[in-house]
Amino acid sequence: DTGVSQDPRHKITKRGQNVTFRCDPISEHNRLYWYRQTLGQGPEFLTYFQNEAQLEKSRLLSDRFSAERPKGSFSTLEIQRTEQGDSAMYLCASGQPEYSGTSGSNEQFFGPGTRLTVL
Amino acid sequence: AQSVTQPDIHITVSEGASLELRCNYSYGATPYLFWYVQSPGQGLQLLLKYFSGDTLVQGIKGFEAEFKRSQSSFNLRKPSVHWSDAAEYFCAVVNTGTASKLTFGTGTRLQVTL
Repeated sequence: DTGVSQDPRHKITKRGQNVTFRCDPISEHNRLYWYRQTLGQGPEFLTYFQNEAQLEKSRLLSDRFSAERPKGSFSTLEIQRTEQGDSAMYLCASGQPEYSGTSGSNEQFFGPGTRLTVL
Repeated sequence: AQSVTQPDIHITVSEGASLELRCNYSYGATPYLFWYVQSPGQGLQLLLKYFSGDTLVQGIKGFEAEFKRSQSSFNLRKPSVHWSDAAEYFCAVVNTGTASKLTFGTGTRLQVTL
């Protein structure tokens, strides 16, 4: 399977604990996105990487959140001191450069998500 | 800033009936528009996309959507719904800036009765 993968698929943690999620994008994609989806809502943008550079962060991404993409391949999203309000589905997506000129530019391919429950 | 409105939170249709899901967007330039489908507990699957050209776009699973600039709409249609189409449907617009991030609507949940 050459799609976007995420690990773990589910995570239950206690308030105050730290959690880390991993995303493996489609191998030839240099763009990687993190979104958060709460119940009854559409996904909301959190952050964006082009290769290893984190180029944009949403104001939703508080200082308890940090994301990395150290070698321009997989990415991790860490939440420190989790709060009950962090409970959500965390989605990762990858895509090709906008300037690729292909009809697939701007298209994002999503992984299955990591569902986080903070007790 | 761009925004997407999906006015219908929940729609119920009978199997075999036609379907139209509404989407209105707010964006200053020519938008890049998408429809995604999400089954329970799953990620998002792209149904179709509009970048330019023909305003009627065909997608997977028999879906189509029509871009109407004058109405700022991008409604999703299917002539005959199958029970397996029951899912959550999201309309999205992309910011063509550096990040090309997606802005999603709140979604429409489709229920199909047999």
